[in-house]
Formats: sequence, C-alpha cells, structure tokens
Amino acid sequence: GEDVEQSLFLSVREGDSSVINCTYTDSSSTYLYWYKQEPGAGLQLLTYIFSNMDMKQDQRLTVLLNKKDKHLSLRIADTQTGDSAIYFCAESYSGNTPLVFGKGTRLSVIA
Amino acid sequence: GAVVSQHPSRVICKSGTSVKIECRSLDFQATTMFWYRQFPKQSLMLMATSNEGSKATYEQGVEKDKFLINHASLTLSTLTVTSAHPEDSSFYICSASAYLNSNQPQHFGDGTRLSIL
Repeated sequence: GEDVEQSLFLSVREGDSSVINCTYTDSSSTYLYWYKQEPGAGLQLLTYIFSNMDMKQDQRLTVLLNKKDKHLSLRIADTQTGDSAIYFCAESYSGNTPLVFGKGTRLSVIA
Repeated sequence: GAVVSQHPSRVICKSGTSVKIECRSLDFQATTMFWYRQFPKQSLMLMATSNEGSKATYEQGVEKDKFLINHASLTLSTLTVTSAHPEDSSFYICSASAYLNSNQPQHFGDGTRLSIL
C-alpha cells in the first residue's frame, strides 16, 4: 500500500538551514504536502507541490521534488526557534482524496 | 482564504458519554470531508471519508457503529463518538475538499482533543 517515510528527529542551530527529507511509494501521487504541527495544535499547511513540478519556493521555504526517486524535501532557510515543531510530509492523488501522512519529523532549533 | 472550522477544540468527559464533533467549511462547499485520528506522538490516520448525502466510507479497523458520521449538507460533517471510553482519547481532525475544485489542496480544521476519564 501507500507509504510515506521521513526521519523522526532533526536538530539545527538557530540561523542555519534545516532540510527535512521524505520518501513516498505511490507513483500516482499528484499532490505532495508539508504540514507543521506545534504542540497541542492542529495542522498548518506550509506548502504543497504538484508532481509535475521540481521545485517550489515560498519565502524561507524551498520544496524540492525528485519524482524519479519519489523523494521530497523541505528546506527552511535561516531557521528560527519559532520553527521548532513537528513537520509532516503527506501525499494524495488529488485534492479530494485522503492524505497519507508520514510519521512526522520533530525539528528542534537550538539557540 | 478557505477556512475549515472544527468544534469543540477540546472535550473532557466521563466514560460512557457520547461526544459530537462538528466540521464546517466556512466559505466553500465540500462534497467530501475526511476524519483523521492522531494518537500521542504518532501520525494522522484516516478514519473515514464523509460524502454529502451518502453513507461514510470507513477504513479497516474503524467501527462504524462507534464513530457515527453524518454529512447532511455541503458545509457540515459531524463525527459522534458513541459511548466513549478512555481508549478513544485522541486528537480528532477533519479536512474538507472543495466542491467542483479538486485541484485545490484540502483544508484542515484545528482539531478536537478528546479526553475520556
């Protein structure tokens, strides 16, 4: 079945760049998402990319997609302490099909 | 932008109580809504797909008589946890997909944290 894998932990120093990686198995995935979840809170959609794109940049966030390897990454430039959270990678076939989530990467930013 | 409102945000109640959670799309019509559950320090798992005007589709292992889903209009889906027990304590979150525009990503509610004593 569908599967989304991501590393569980990442620790970076404030001001450095963070790169969170994700791999997925479903080659029919059309949408690939990155969500942020702070403690006790819901999901915040950070960005998403269509499978026919290689890269998407939005301010400090850069998403890279290697469709051949089914690899997605999220780069956060100039990481701040407020970026500390759990980041979920997810995929779906379309906008009205359910999302399959990875287990989440806990990003810790050290001041 | 589009917003999904979920209520209540937090519920604490005694074992045996039934709890209703509402998921509303505020500025768009949603033919399809999804209900997910997240246990502590785990990922989100799909529970069921809620379709307006028809029965919900439940994922394997999710009891349909335990988790009643009603999607009576294009802007509202409800999840009722019947006779809740401590093992039902979890974070429940809904998402909605815009009618006639499946090219847009889904929007999530802020979730409901359910604690059963």
